[in-house]
Amino acid sequence: ETGVTQTPRHLVMGMTNKKSLKCEQHLGHNAMYWYKQSAKKPLELMFVYNFKEQTENNSVPSRFSPECPNSSHLFLHLHTLQPEDSALYLCASSPGTGAINTEAFFGQGTRLTVV
Amino acid sequence: SQQGEEDPQALSIQEGENATMNCSYKTSINNLQWYRQNSGRGLVHLILIRSNEREKHSGRLRVTLDTSKKSSSLLITASRAADTASYFCATTNTGNQFYFGTGTSLTVIP
Repeated sequence: ETGVTQTPRHLVMGMTNKKSLKCEQHLGHNAMYWYKQSAKKPLELMFVYNFKEQTENNSVPSRFSPECPNSSHLFLHLHTLQPEDSALYLCASSPGTGAINTEAFFGQGTRLTVV
Repeated sequence: SQQGEEDPQALSIQEGENATMNCSYKTSINNLQWYRQNSGRGLVHLILIRSNEREKHSGRLRVTLDTSKKSSSLLITASRAADTASYFCATTNTGNQFYFGTGTSLTVIP
C-alpha cells in the first residue's frame, strides 16, 4: 500500500463512451501526476499538478481532460478515445514540484482497454 | 528528451547471481532514482542518488552515478526469484518532475 489509490483497476470502454479515472492520495502531498504506460515505450508523463494548478501538459490530446479539485484528488476524464489509447494509466504523487530529492509514490494503475 | 534509457531491455539470470542494469540520460539532473514494477502494477521506489553522490547502497542494492558520462547502474546482489520485475530509472530536474525510461525486465530463475 503506497498511500495512492486508483479506481477503477480495470476499464473497458467503447470509442464513443465517456469515463473517468480517479486517483486519491493520503500522503499530504501537493503534487500529482498522470502517466501513460504502453508496452515497450517509456512511461509518458501526461499531466502535472502542483497545489491544484496544472504545471505541465505534455502535448496530450484533448480527448484526455484532467481535473484536480484539491491536492488529494486527481481525475482523468476520457471521451472519444482511440484503440491506441489502450494502456496502463498510472497516477503518482510527490511532496511538491518545488521539493527536490524526493520520490514519487504510485498507485496500482488503471488498465484501460478501448474497443 | 529528458527520459532515461535502460540497458539491457531484458535480463535473465539464475537465482543467487548478481544482476546489473544500466541507465543513460541526456540532461542535467538533481538526482536519479530507481524504481521497480511488478507486472501490471504501480512503480515502487527503490533508491535515490543525488547528483553530487557517486555510489549508494541499500540492502542488496548498489547504485552508482557518473554525471560526466550521464549514466547510472543498479546492481542487485544474490538475486532471488522474488526480484523478478521490471526496473526503471527516473531522472528529476529543477521542477522535480520524474522522467522514466522503458525499463529493464529482469527474470530470476529459481
